[in-house]
Amino acid sequence: GDSVTQMQGQVTLSEDDFLFINCTYSTTWYPTLFWYVQYPGEGPQLLLKVTTANNKGISRGFEATYDKGTTSFHLQKASVQESDSAVYYCVLGDTAGGLSGKLTFGEGTQVTVIS
Amino acid sequence: EAAVTQSPRNKVTVTGGNVTLSCRQTNSHNYMYWYRQDTGHGLRLIHYSYGAGNLQIGDVPDGYKATRTTQEDFFLLLELASPSQTSLYFCASSDQGQEQYFGPGTRLTVL
Repeated sequence: GDSVTQMQGQVTLSEDDFLFINCTYSTTWYPTLFWYVQYPGEGPQLLLKVTTANNKGISRGFEATYDKGTTSFHLQKASVQESDSAVYYCVLGDTAGGLSGKLTFGEGTQVTVIS
Repeated sequence: EAAVTQSPRNKVTVTGGNVTLSCRQTNSHNYMYWYRQDTGHGLRLIHYSYGAGNLQIGDVPDGYKATRTTQEDFFLLLELASPSQTSLYFCASSDQGQEQYFGPGTRLTVL
């Protein structure tokens, strides 16, 4: 079945550091990929969506890039702030033509930014 | 702004107890989902629904039932709760294949 793997469980950075989170996915088709972010005490919310058509997405200073050749998907930000502290999830969209709307979440990466 | 609410926000029950978690969305979305969130596992899909009266099995359905009574309301039922079901539960809604909007979560503890 479809799966997503995030190798980095926790990342600790100082303000203005560069953030890079990588994930790999396994599926039988070319999926839509997402990054969701979860702040303390809240539910996850969409940060970025990337499809096979564009391979890249940008939002709120974050950039996500999708590499079909290596089945990897990464998230980066040039200069993080304390407010970026959150859990970031790599998420695989439904590959059955999107009919179910199902999402497959990775394990999440806890990003902590210290001032 | 998307709106998904969940109740209760916290619940404590005993092993073998009967629990119902409620979710309501006011987005006019057809799709609704129930997830559990556990450390090291991310979010895992329990059940989901395409509309009132419809139910689809997710990836971790054992020990859970669900019912979609209206377009707005989706319930998760634990009829014989076990300690392994202690978790943080999230409900979400979406249009087909689009962004999912999550509620604030219900923390369930089974003693």
